[in-house]
Amino acid sequence: AQTVTQSQPEMSVQEAETVTLSCTYDTSESDYYLFWYKQPPSRQMILVIRQEAYKQQNATENRFSVNFQKAAKSFSLKISDSQLGDAAMYFCAYRSGGLPTGGFKTIFGAGTRLFVKA
Amino acid sequence: GAGVSQSPSNKVTEKGKDVELRCDPISGHTALYWYRQSLGQGLEFLIYFQGNSAPDKSGLPSDRFSAERTGGSVSTLTIQRTQQEDSAVYLCASSPGRYNEQFFGPGTRLTVL
Repeated sequence: AQTVTQSQPEMSVQEAETVTLSCTYDTSESDYYLFWYKQPPSRQMILVIRQEAYKQQNATENRFSVNFQKAAKSFSLKISDSQLGDAAMYFCAYRSGGLPTGGFKTIFGAGTRLFVKA
Repeated sequence: GAGVSQSPSNKVTEKGKDVELRCDPISGHTALYWYRQSLGQGLEFLIYFQGNSAPDKSGLPSDRFSAERTGGSVSTLTIQRTQQEDSAVYLCASSPGRYNEQFFGPGTRLTVL
């Protein structure tokens, strides 16, 4: 079974600085997708960035980028120029590429709470 | 356009009662997911619907939990004979297809006294 591990329960960053959130996963599949979701206090889950496993190039969305190391099964999120609005829970998630090796359920890590200091 | 909506936003019930939680996905989205989020925890997959295919129920924790999706749109998650450990936020998400991003609703906070 697939697992997702976020080893940092909490992280703190100074406004305008850069922070990296760690995520590792375990799978025997070769086709899968990885995601980072943000959950602010409002509870609304928001997709931050996604990465297809077959793509070697790391995904980037404005101030958010990932370091995808497929062999190491590592998928870290880097937030540059941190802003107060970035404060939230961040969840790393894994989804199988589908049948026949797996279904489409998404496995989430336990989350990392990010604090941003002014 | 309208996002995923869930009702009620909060539900308080007594142990042993049945509850129904509703999810209205984004119009046209064929995939629908239910998750449970216990306090301070990540999301636990419960069930997945994709079009007319048989749902993936592999995440349902017990036979007290069931879900249906009528007409490929609205979904209802039913918990029978609720227990205190069922207290959590129940999140619904929909997606245009199985390979696409999931859009989440605001969740229903269930409290079982």
